[in-house]
Amino acid sequence: EVQLVESGGGLVQPGGSLRLSCAASGFTFSNYAMNWVRQAPGKGLEWASTLDSGGTTYYADSAKGRFTISRDNSKNTLYLQMNSLRAEDTAVYYCAKMAADGTLFDNWGQGTLVTVSS
Amino acid sequence: QLVLTQSPSASASLGASVKLTCTLSSGHSSYPIAWHQQQPEKGPRYLMKLNSDGSHNRGAGIPDRFSGSSSGAERYLTISSLQSDDEADYHCQTWATGIQVFGGGTKLTVL
Repeated sequence: EVQLVESGGGLVQPGGSLRLSCAASGFTFSNYAMNWVRQAPGKGLEWASTLDSGGTTYYADSAKGRFTISRDNSKNTLYLQMNSLRAEDTAVYYCAKMAADGTLFDNWGQGTLVTVSS
Repeated sequence: QLVLTQSPSASASLGASVKLTCTLSSGHSSYPIAWHQQQPEKGPRYLMKLNSDGSHNRGAGIPDRFSGSSSGAERYLTISSLQSDDEADYHCQTWATGIQVFGGGTKLTVL
């Protein structure tokens, strides 16, 4: 059974930094693209970033230059380093596994809440 | 620009059927989409991939009460024999090289 468990969320001041982690199990982590998707309070889902199995990264415009996605295949863990955080980055951040064909998201974590506030 | 549009809300009675709509932006009517369900206070759950010809593949463990269909730029999710735990937000997703796009989500209320 695929399991994705996010951690690292919390309260941070505007301009601060935070690193999220996603521990994966139940599949061969290194073979799959992985993603971060966020959801602001009361809003819909918003894709943030993708890291494919070959190491290529993709970012939404809202994340470019401030967020960095990375992975440690030896630890089956995905990361999201978030810098220069703004109030509008307040959201639940979900880790999502990409399907084998590299298109849709076929497994999701339970999310970790990031609150940016002074 | 690749955009997905969903109605904010829908409602239907327990035991009935409901059809939710996700509309692709102009010029993108051939794109496949995915449907995801998000129950209150939970992470999303993948339901199915839906192609432009209406063919669809449900995710693991998704009952056949959930089905998909397509017409032009419209992608539909039909839920039959509604149950109380079908009350959830339903999100559609599509993709292009280097980007992923979500619709705004539809909140389904089961009466």
